[in-house]
Amino acid sequence: DGGITQSPKYLFRKEGQNVTLSCEQNLNHDAMYWYRQDPGQGLRLIYYSQIVNDFQKGDIAEGYSVSREKKESFPLTVTSAQKNPTAFYLCASSILAGEIDTQYFGPGTRLTVL
Amino acid sequence: RKEVEQDPGPFNVPEGATVAFNCTYSNSASQSFFWYRQDCRKEPKLLMSVYSSGNEDGRFTAQLNRASQYISLLIRDSKLSDSATYLCVVILQNYGGSQGNLIFGKGTKLSVKP
Repeated sequence: DGGITQSPKYLFRKEGQNVTLSCEQNLNHDAMYWYRQDPGQGLRLIYYSQIVNDFQKGDIAEGYSVSREKKESFPLTVTSAQKNPTAFYLCASSILAGEIDTQYFGPGTRLTVL
Repeated sequence: RKEVEQDPGPFNVPEGATVAFNCTYSNSASQSFFWYRQDCRKEPKLLMSVYSSGNEDGRFTAQLNRASQYISLLIRDSKLSDSATYLCVVILQNYGGSQGNLIFGKGTKLSVKP
């Protein structure tokens, strides 16, 4: 089955800790994205990557870091510098076919800072 | 600056009703449009793209009005399973590709009652 997987589904973190959220896709998609969703809010873009070893900041990149060492994987690290990290984190991917960039989402990770 | 606006709802309708959602966008360079469906505590899933000529998929009809800068989603014969939040997504034109330029609305919540 092709798809996007995220792990863990739920994550609890103490203040001051860095945590890494996993995102893997076997769809052979070129681009991958990380979004954050807060209750009652729209999705906000954190980082995105169009090709391996390259990524771009989104609207709210501060306090986050990413890597793209493999086409299939795009892990997100939430650092201690992120002031309000409790949120629902969604990873997405797209094929980059022409101008239409339909994105498909993983099941998400709920991060709670204790 | 609100680039994509949706009525948050909730829209509470009985089974079998017809319901319509609108979404307005502020950037005239917006290029592509989508409706996503998001169930409670789940990831968004693509419902349908929105084409300039309008398009229909079963009970769902999407329309685009570029002059007035809005898109709409019409659901006929509502089912209990249609209960979800419907997200409007707009892609801004970018000569380098659309990556990173998806703008999500906050969503409209629909609740279909028996």
